[in-house]
Amino acid sequence: EVQLVESGGGLVQPGGSLRLSCAASGFIFSDYWMSWVRQAPGKGLEWVASIKYEGGEKYYVDSVKGRFTISRDNAKKSLYLQMNNLRDADTAVYYCARDREYLGSGTESDNWGQGTLVTVSS
Amino acid sequence: DIVMTQSPDSLAVSLGERATINCKSSQSVLYGSHNKNYLAWYQQKPGQPPKLLISWASTRESGVPDRFSGSGSGTDFTLTISSLQAEDVAVYYCQQYFSTPVFGQGTKVEIK
Repeated sequence: EVQLVESGGGLVQPGGSLRLSCAASGFIFSDYWMSWVRQAPGKGLEWVASIKYEGGEKYYVDSVKGRFTISRDNAKKSLYLQMNNLRDADTAVYYCARDREYLGSGTESDNWGQGTLVTVSS
Repeated sequence: DIVMTQSPDSLAVSLGERATINCKSSQSVLYGSHNKNYLAWYQQKPGQPPKLLISWASTRESGVPDRFSGSGSGTDFTLTISSLQAEDVAVYYCQQYFSTPVFGQGTKVEIK
């Protein structure tokens, strides 16, 4: 059974940093693209970042470029999101998701974690 | 960037009746040479993560009831629930993955 378990969320002040982790099990982690998707309270889904299976390709939504860094450790079957210079607008539940692939590119997300809440507030 | 627009924002349907959700992309998500539409549909129930229902615009995931169907091509897509059940109350999102992923704003489905 595929399992994705996020951790690392919490309350942080504007301008602060946080590192999210996602522990994967039940599948060959190194075979899959992975993504972070967030959802602000009462709002819709927003894709944040994706990373290819070997880590060589990374993509970000414009609003987090230069502030967030996605990474992975295939030996530890873990995905990470380093978030710096956090803003109020970054407040959200952050989901870790496993992506399928077609012709070398990530496609739809077929498994999701339960999410971890990040609150940016003074 | 591709913009995904869903309609309506919410709808109330009687049990057993049909629910139809539309999704329009600002540019085509059809990869013509492979005849594939890079479009997925997700269901999100309160307090739960999203669940993938349909990929490639019309391919239903294993275990998803056949009352759920996806159709459309290019820029216009539809998710249809042929006979609404109580457990289908949720927010539904379309997503394009032709370029960096973008979700629609969501459509809330309720019981009338």
